[in-house]
Amino acid sequence: DVVMTQSPLSLPVTLGQPASISCRSSQSLAYSNGNTYLIWFQQRPGQSPRRLIYKVSNRDSGVPDRFSGSGSGTEFTLQISRVEADDVGVYYCMQGTHWPWTFGQGTEVEIK
Amino acid sequence: VQLVESGGGLVQPGGSLRLSCVASGFSFNVYWMGWVRQAPGKGLECVANINPDGSQKYFVDSVRGRFTVSRDNAKNSLYLQMDSLRADDTALYYCVRNDDHDFVYWGPGVLVTVSS
Repeated sequence: DVVMTQSPLSLPVTLGQPASISCRSSQSLAYSNGNTYLIWFQQRPGQSPRRLIYKVSNRDSGVPDRFSGSGSGTEFTLQISRVEADDVGVYYCMQGTHWPWTFGQGTEVEIK
Repeated sequence: VQLVESGGGLVQPGGSLRLSCVASGFSFNVYWMGWVRQAPGKGLECVANINPDGSQKYFVDSVRGRFTVSRDNAKNSLYLQMDSLRADDTALYYCVRNDDHDFVYWGPGVLVTVSS
């Protein structure tokens, strides 16, 4: 199975400051059709996960533009340009290229 | 789009449980569907995927041979039959719609607890 490794696992951030989460895969996530199925989810306490970013860098409708995704191959990053209180939660990367699709361990974002 | 799971509960090790998910707000019969689980305080794990007509099914190794996924397109429903349950199957089980190799829509989840 493809192993997804996130870092850091805990990320205390000051309001208004940037934050960055890394996600590395044990294999390339490039699919045969040219797409790279790397997805970022946000899970707020007590809620189901919510998709933020799909295919590496495409932001979902309604997701603030302070969230951005980048990367290729086996290394990917989620960046929050200015953290707000509403961003507290656990962030997961997921690969949808190789079955079984697998998630990273999660990164808990908290406000300092 | 709405996905609503049911059928969870407490079951003894070795027992069985059948989860259901009723979908609404979209054309159920054209989408892949799946189940994702989350053990208490832990991360996420894709358990199973099924294609629109039910002819293709994929499972994670940890449940293959014990879990079965099926669907009834006439009832807009997805099912997960779980047999030979173990303590490490204890989790919140989410019904998900598969949109081009990922999950946009998630249900609220249903809790399965395997314990004696």
